[in-house]
Amino acid sequence: NAGVMQNPRHLVRRRGQEARLRCSPMKGHSHVYWYRQLPEEGLKFMVYLQKENIIDESGMPKERFSAEFPKEGPSILRIQQVVRGDSAAYFCASSPSPPGQSINYGYTFGSGTRLTVV
Amino acid sequence: SQQGEEDPQALSIQEGENATMNCSYKTSINNLQWYRQNSGRGLVHLILIRSNEREKHSGRLRVTLDTSKKSSSLLITASRAADTASYFCATVATSGTYKYIFGTGTRLKVLA
Repeated sequence: NAGVMQNPRHLVRRRGQEARLRCSPMKGHSHVYWYRQLPEEGLKFMVYLQKENIIDESGMPKERFSAEFPKEGPSILRIQQVVRGDSAAYFCASSPSPPGQSINYGYTFGSGTRLTVV
Repeated sequence: SQQGEEDPQALSIQEGENATMNCSYKTSINNLQWYRQNSGRGLVHLILIRSNEREKHSGRLRVTLDTSKKSSSLLITASRAADTASYFCATVATSGTYKYIFGTGTRLKVLA
């Protein structure tokens, strides 16, 4: 019963390249959330997806960032034309239902992808 | 913004002492959770407290919630060196899309 799987664990990209971060939620979980964490800071919400739908992308930068959660396969967070300021840890979490609707559920987090832009 | 704030930002105690961390938030919430993050790792869920609960225990952890003051506290009793980590509170609002908003975290260091 694997937890939330994120890959790669570490990703190095040169400025201007694209970064693709993958997240496979726990089995039975159809709600996925992406967060970004800068060093020594808390987690900042980016986007909330359900299968094939973006529910809330209020935390996503308007440009260069996109996310998807297709019917089949993992959720993907894509960052185009990366800049040094994109260097951070990106965490994915999943839940079987939205936490506000079924308040017994919290998130299960993945181990994160640490993106370094050089 | 609903984002919570923990205080203190950093806390250093001796093994065996109790550690208390506080979290304040801004809007009405559905529930509040506490998470632990070891350095360089993902977050681990510790405990969830609902908006209609005032106190909850889990092992050496005790969480309180005061919705009138929009605050919560996490108490770790008889701390151990292995408790060294960052601790975050996360809240779910009663309106809007259901997502957790995290506080800024308390970095706890337990000295052996």
